[in-house]
Amino acid sequence: AIRMTQSPSSLSASTGDRVTITCRASQGISTYLAWYQQKPGKAPKLLIYSASTLQSGVPSRFSGSGSGTDFTLTISCLQSEDFATYYCQQYYSDPPTFGQGTRLEIK
Amino acid sequence: EVQLVESGGGLVQPGGSLRLSCAASGFTFSSYWMSWVRQAPGKGLEWVANIKQDGSEKYYVDSVKGRFTISRDNAKNSLYLQMNSLRAEDTAVYYCARDVNRIAYWGQGTLVTVSS
Repeated sequence: AIRMTQSPSSLSASTGDRVTITCRASQGISTYLAWYQQKPGKAPKLLIYSASTLQSGVPSRFSGSGSGTDFTLTISCLQSEDFATYYCQQYYSDPPTFGQGTRLEIK
Repeated sequence: EVQLVESGGGLVQPGGSLRLSCAASGFTFSSYWMSWVRQAPGKGLEWVANIKQDGSEKYYVDSVKGRFTISRDNAKNSLYLQMNSLRAEDTAVYYCARDVNRIAYWGQGTLVTVSS
């Protein structure tokens, strides 16, 4: 199975900050990568797919980039509702696998 | 509006069985692959199993092969997960999800606790 490694595991930031989360795949996955946001007690929410395509209804302050093995999720101007845990997921090969998550906390 | 509603979770002893159900509405159920994804308490997401539109193809994560069975009833717009020989490490919230990749629709989850 392809291993997905996110960094950092946790991150403290303030409202208005620009933050970047990194996801690295153990082998090349082209752009078969999705990003999810999850808040406590809730199901994950799809933010980005195909590495850089914004899911309908997701604010434009979220963006994704990368291909091959290295990917980033950037939030350009943090809002209070963005404090959550973020996961990457590869769907290049079975089984689909997720990163371990990045917890974004208020500084 | 797409809705996925899981049921069937609960407390079960190690070695026991449980059957999860997911009632789907708001879309043409028979046109989509469906998945189960789980999340152990305080841990990350783990894909468990998925099933093709007509049920002809099924895939499982290695840790549940031979113990879990995914199935569907397109006439009832329902997805199922039969879980046998349950272990403590199967304790998790189990989510029903539409599609396998880039999952846009998830249920609210049902908690399965395996403990004596």
